[in-house]
Amino acid sequence: AQTVTQSQPEMSVQEAETVTLSCTYDTSESDYYLFWYKQPPSRQMILVIRQEAYKQQNATENRFSVNFQKAAKSFSLKISDSQLGDAAMYFCAYRYTGTASKLTFGTGTRLQVTL
Amino acid sequence: GAVVSQHPSWVICKSGTSVKIECRSLDFQATTMFWYRQFPKQSLMLMATSNEGSKATYEQGVEKDKFLINHASLTLSTLTVTSAHPEDSSFYICSARVPKVPNQPQHFGDGTRLSIL
Repeated sequence: AQTVTQSQPEMSVQEAETVTLSCTYDTSESDYYLFWYKQPPSRQMILVIRQEAYKQQNATENRFSVNFQKAAKSFSLKISDSQLGDAAMYFCAYRYTGTASKLTFGTGTRLQVTL
Repeated sequence: GAVVSQHPSWVICKSGTSVKIECRSLDFQATTMFWYRQFPKQSLMLMATSNEGSKATYEQGVEKDKFLINHASLTLSTLTVTSAHPEDSSFYICSARVPKVPNQPQHFGDGTRLSIL
């Protein structure tokens, strides 16, 4: 069974600084997708970034980028120039490429952004 | 982009009543939808996978008779919490993915906060 581990329950970053959230996963599949979702206090699930396992290039979305290490099964999220609005729970998630495959979530990291 | 609408956003009801939550895909047809439950400060736990025109697939430990799922059309799935009790109070979220597009992420509804008195 696939598992996703987020070893940092809480992280804190100063506004305008950079923070990295860690995620590791376990799978026997070779083709899959990885995602980072943000859940602010409103509890809406917002997709931050995604990565296809077959792509070697790390995904980037504006201030958000990932460090995808397939051999190490590691998928960390870097947030640059942190803003107050980045404060939220962040969930790492895995899905293999089957058509009806389900998402497996990590336990989440609560990110605080301080002035 | 793909939009998933969930209704109601918040419901409070007495113990013993049944509560129905709707999940709609507004601009795409979803052959598969997913239902999650989230306790405070915890992650999303998949309850079941809802398949249009067939029975839902429940995760281990989820009571099928307690959480009835119906996916009668390509744009609507419903979750009914039958004879709800205070321990069923939780945040329920549905999601769906645009079919036949391999790298599409799941799109989530805004969730339903269920409080059983």
